[in-house]
This record gives sequence, C-alpha cells and structure tokens, in this order.
Amino acid sequence: NAGVTQTPKFRVLKTGQSMTLLCAQDMNHEYMYWYRQDPGMGLRLIHYSVGEGTTAKGEVPDGYNVSRLKKQNFLLGLESAAPSQTSVYFCASSYPGTLQETQYFGPGTRLLVL
Amino acid sequence: DQQVKQNSPSLSVQEGRISILNCDYTNSMFDYFLWYKKYPAEGPTFLISISSIKDKNEDGRFTVFLNKSAKHLSLHIVPSQPGDSAVYFCAARARGGADGLTFGKGTHLIIQP
Repeated sequence: NAGVTQTPKFRVLKTGQSMTLLCAQDMNHEYMYWYRQDPGMGLRLIHYSVGEGTTAKGEVPDGYNVSRLKKQNFLLGLESAAPSQTSVYFCASSYPGTLQETQYFGPGTRLLVL
Repeated sequence: DQQVKQNSPSLSVQEGRISILNCDYTNSMFDYFLWYKKYPAEGPTFLISISSIKDKNEDGRFTVFLNKSAKHLSLHIVPSQPGDSAVYFCAARARGGADGLTFGKGTHLIIQP
C-alpha cells in the first residue's frame, strides 16, 4: 500500500515549457486535490476532484489544468510555465462521507521555472 | 484575507516540556479542524483533528482544544520530544465542503535538548 505517490520528484523548466505532474493513490479515495506551497506560506488549493471525470477550481487555479480520467490518478498540467509557478506541489486524497475525513498527502514535486 | 492564521512562525521548547501551538480562524463556516506535521522534503502528515461539536480531542501526547466563541484552537504536545521538531500546519474545512482545506502558514517547532 503506497498511499499517495507523485511523479516526478523534481523538475526544472524554462519559461514557456509545458509539463504534467502525476498523482496516484491506491486507497480507493474519491476526492483528490492539488496544492502548492511557497516559502513562508501555507498550502493553497489549485484544483480538486470529487470523482472520476469531475474537476473544480480551487483558490489559485490560473495557469493550471487538471484531469481525472481514472479514479486513482489526478494530473496537473502547466501549459506554459512561468517563474511564478516555481513552487512545491502536493497532491492529496481523501474518502468523503464521514465526519472525520482526513486528507493524505504525497511527498511533493519540487518545480523550478527559469 | 487569511482565514486561518498561525501568528507564531517559530517556537522553541525544551525537551520534556509542553509545546503549545496556536491557530485562529475567521470563517464561521469551518466545522472541522486538523493539524498536520511536516518534515523537510516530505509531504504533510495528519496528526490530529477536531470537529466543531467538540472542544477537546486527545491522542497520546497530542491534545487539540477548540474555543468556538473565540475562533481559536491550540495543539498541546506533552512531553515534547526531539522528533517533534517540524513545521506544524493548522487547517480547516468548511461545512459540507469537498473543496479542500484552508491552511495556516505554519509554525516551526524546535525542540531543544
């Protein structure tokens, strides 16, 4: 049981390049989330999904797109990377429907945009 | 407009003593609160949570207190151990919300021997 995994762990991009971050979970969770964390800041929600084939915008969605084609995977895309997107990206998943819903996080992807 | 505030960026506590981390919130729709612990180069790991229908939740050395009238919660760690040195994030979820958690900026707890 690997929990939540993220690929890649680290990436350097040039401004204008595109890339996709992959998140996978093996806990059969319905909900999945993408957050970013910047120095001195808490985690901020980019996009989320409440089920296969559904996505929604979070607090800071601009410049990102997401897809949830399979229940276990949640992809985060950057179509044209900008230096402001230099950050650490965390994926999380949770199982809804209980009062004590808890989000489980992956190890993070560190992205540097030059 | 920060809805979850952790006003202490860092806190230093002697090993064996009590660590108290504080968190304030402004959104009355928050009904579930969580504390996450984060080590460098790792993802946050869930520590303890509390529902708005309770005022205290305890799990081993960790206790979270919730004061709804003051919109304040605190995490107590006793006794503090060297492995507790980490960044602690307070997070909150809005009632009925599937739309993620709102995080504070974190408090870096340093346990001194």
